[in-house]
Amino acid sequence: DQQVKQNSPSLSVQEGRISILNCDYTNSMFDYFLWYKKYPAEGPTFLISISSIKDKNEDGRFTVFLNKSAKHLSLHIVPSQPGDSAVYFCAASVRGSQGNLIFGKGTKLSVKP
Amino acid sequence: DAEITQSPRHKITETGRQVTLACHQTWNHNNMFWYRQDLGHGLRLIHYSYGVQDTNKGEVSDGYSVSRSNTEDLPLTLESAASSQTSVYFCASSGRGEQYFGPGTRLTVT
Repeated sequence: DQQVKQNSPSLSVQEGRISILNCDYTNSMFDYFLWYKKYPAEGPTFLISISSIKDKNEDGRFTVFLNKSAKHLSLHIVPSQPGDSAVYFCAASVRGSQGNLIFGKGTKLSVKP
Repeated sequence: DAEITQSPRHKITETGRQVTLACHQTWNHNNMFWYRQDLGHGLRLIHYSYGVQDTNKGEVSDGYSVSRSNTEDLPLTLESAASSQTSVYFCASSGRGEQYFGPGTRLTVT
């Protein structure tokens, strides 16, 4: 039973356009959400997070939106660059769980020049 | 700079052998985690530790063990390697927020 779902295994976007990666969750106890980026042959790196008390968090070209009623979050990358091509993992946790994260299966983003 | 390292980066072993993967972090984090990454499964939690002498089973712990004798290290042991344990293994550590990952160990069991 997947608690964190990334239903799109892959996404292809033109350079300069917006990339939107989606993530759904089922556990209403989740209150902290993160996005990780992973290049081949490297470990995942933290990208951006959002607490459930917010509905938006922005960091440069990256914005995460949280819709608690729909149990849905999305990562927007604007403008997309070829260097953004990677696998993106959505993760969720319950605050107070000492950092235990539940990961989605990932979405492979390809940004074409 | 603080970091988290894993060794070896690549390992080939035979079925039935005992294998230990090392993980070392200099963040001084209490929490440490081991994951495996497989196509179609994303990152799955194997074991985790909240501090010295503390270990806990994750989602896919069968066939694996860990021990935590100090803050910096959480070695992962495959007691008797099986072909199903061929995977990429990631170690991570965290304080109270996001986890920081090591570069991974690619393990092949033949």
